[in-house]
Amino acid sequence: KAGVTQTPRYLIKTRGQQVTLSCSPISGHRSVSWYQQTPGQGLQFLFEYFSETQRNKGNFPGRFSGRQFSNSRSEMNVSTLELGDSALYLCASSSAYGGTGEQYFGPGTRLTVT
Amino acid sequence: AQSVTQLDSQVPVFEEAPVELRCNYSSSVSVYLFWYVQYPNQGLQLLLKYLSGSTLVKGINGFEAEFNKSQTSFHLRKPSVHISDTAEYFCAVSGLDTGRRALTFGSGTRLQVQP
Repeated sequence: KAGVTQTPRYLIKTRGQQVTLSCSPISGHRSVSWYQQTPGQGLQFLFEYFSETQRNKGNFPGRFSGRQFSNSRSEMNVSTLELGDSALYLCASSSAYGGTGEQYFGPGTRLTVT
Repeated sequence: AQSVTQLDSQVPVFEEAPVELRCNYSSSVSVYLFWYVQYPNQGLQLLLKYLSGSTLVKGINGFEAEFNKSQTSFHLRKPSVHISDTAEYFCAVSGLDTGRRALTFGSGTRLQVQP
């Protein structure tokens, strides 16, 4: 079974621009979560989608948004990029809402904001 | 809400020696506990998990962890490490208050295995 895939793997953007990251979960998984990883703040939960609905949201500003499609693929959008948004963005999929909480992570998208 | 403390930011160890990576957590609700490993330029790979039952859980690559509810700890151990175990290790919890979905991570422990 193929794992979680994320595209693109690397991205360079300029401050003030917006960016969209994509995540395809493991086949059959309906839950997708997003995490931000930075050297200073570590791994932080952004949000989770299940059946096209946002179920949980972390403590991030409204510039960070996401959505999930009917095939469970998810996109994350960051508007008005700031230098501090430079990070590794990880997507994780899970088989069901309210299950064992076991999540499978993709390789991440490394975003650099200049 | 939950919090996770990984007591050591770096752990140097010689090849074939035993190692313990420490993790303590705080939560007002029931939690599930996880250990993940991250190799350079890669995502996170699940090593092992504690959901319920036996407090000693075994994972991949020879790792095991013991859940201690009274001490709110979930330390990771390996009896003999290899050079290939060099990586960053993250302890994480998920709480019933978020439907056990959102993971709260510790700050990570960098394991450096020396020949």
